[in-house]
Amino acid sequence: AQKITQTQPGMFVQEKEAVTLDCTYDTSDQSYGLFWYKQPSSGEMIFLIYQGSYDEQNATEGRYSLNFQKARKSANLVISASQLGDSAMYFCAMREGLGGYQKVTFGTGTKLQVIP
Amino acid sequence: EAGVTQFPSHSVIEKGQTVTLRCDPISGHDNLYWYRRVMGKEIKFLLHFVKESKQDESGMPNNRFLAERTGGTYSTLKVQPAELEDSGVYFCASSQGTQNTEAFFGQGTRLTVV
Repeated sequence: AQKITQTQPGMFVQEKEAVTLDCTYDTSDQSYGLFWYKQPSSGEMIFLIYQGSYDEQNATEGRYSLNFQKARKSANLVISASQLGDSAMYFCAMREGLGGYQKVTFGTGTKLQVIP
Repeated sequence: EAGVTQFPSHSVIEKGQTVTLRCDPISGHDNLYWYRRVMGKEIKFLLHFVKESKQDESGMPNNRFLAERTGGTYSTLKVQPAELEDSGVYFCASSQGTQNTEAFFGQGTRLTVV
């Protein structure tokens, strides 16, 4: 079964507008972490934001925020005020279980294109 | 501080040849991961080292792939013999041994088997 599901293979957004990238996950663990990474055309993977399963508040990092809805098992990424440089692949990921010694599982990614 | 570095950045080899990819994690990171992204598909986990030990190698596709991390520092991933379907981008990542930390990725090695 898919652990991380990203249902949007591609998204367009107008520059300066906000965009939401969807991510749902599946786990039976009570303790887990959720991540978003950005992969620009240059290929590197850039960490954006982290949400722990016990964190009561949604994580925010600058223009990025994570809309964490635990009961629905969703962890959508919201990018406010989109910029041309935001055009990239975006991957949602999850680490399950306690401690740091668990692997991170990725979704299939969403390709975001920001239109001027 | 240096990030995760991978070498080479690109490799083009013929089917049947051997290729060795190298990853140098961030100093002090116990966890080292290898991932692979085949064209147009998701990033797939290959294996996970904790220091020099293989914590989880459930993602290794077959016995043509051999990963090592001698001394718990850098890691190598050898493909022998390479097949066409091995083409893709191989990512290495490292993280500290605590829960609430992200994994830092290298820039990846793009492997093309022709």
